[in-house]
Amino acid sequence: EDQVTQSPEALRLQEGESSSLNCSYTVSGLRGLFWYRQDPGKGPEFLFTLYSAGEEKEKERLKATLTKKESFLHITAPKPEDSATYLCAVQASGTYKYIFGTGTRLKVLA
Amino acid sequence: NAGVTQTPKFQVLKTGQSMTLQCAQDMNHNSMYWYRQDPGMGLRLIYYSASEGTTDKGEVPNGYNVSRLNKREFSLRLESAAPSQTSVYFCASTRTVFDNQPQHFGDGTRLSIL
Repeated sequence: EDQVTQSPEALRLQEGESSSLNCSYTVSGLRGLFWYRQDPGKGPEFLFTLYSAGEEKEKERLKATLTKKESFLHITAPKPEDSATYLCAVQASGTYKYIFGTGTRLKVLA
Repeated sequence: NAGVTQTPKFQVLKTGQSMTLQCAQDMNHNSMYWYRQDPGMGLRLIYYSASEGTTDKGEVPNGYNVSRLNKREFSLRLESAAPSQTSVYFCASTRTVFDNQPQHFGDGTRLSIL
């Protein structure tokens, strides 16, 4: 069964304290892995797409990486405005559906 | 630059009442989706429409119906609301289901059923 697991469920960081969020997936062939940011009361906002193992994408303080079994979202020197829930989703081969993890709630303290 | 627009933003219903959630996108996307988001459960697919004129069931379709009114609009209907359908509902769209593109989401409808 296709599955996506995110860890940790919640993370509190001091401003400037770098860390990583994990997304482990089990799918029968990966078409794409997607990272989203979700603010309270809002819909998910697209951050990155990764298609193959070894691929990396960067945007400001965020960097996403992909292996054959997991993806990491690295946050370097976070700021309070990076506080949000980060969602990971995969699309498996042979399907048009997206499978979402339950997210990591990130809180960055000033 | 509206993207995906959902109406209403909030709604309270009584058990057994019906209602339709509306979704419209202005990005000329072919594919549209309805999800529900519950605490600890993640986003679960209710129905999707790969293209205008087609709809398919997702993971949790029971108790819901959909209509792809035209290329822009995709509505979700609850015929007889139940407390278990209390949730936040999100509509999303992609250019097409065929090319591994990310989804674009609306800001959701928060639905409470008493």
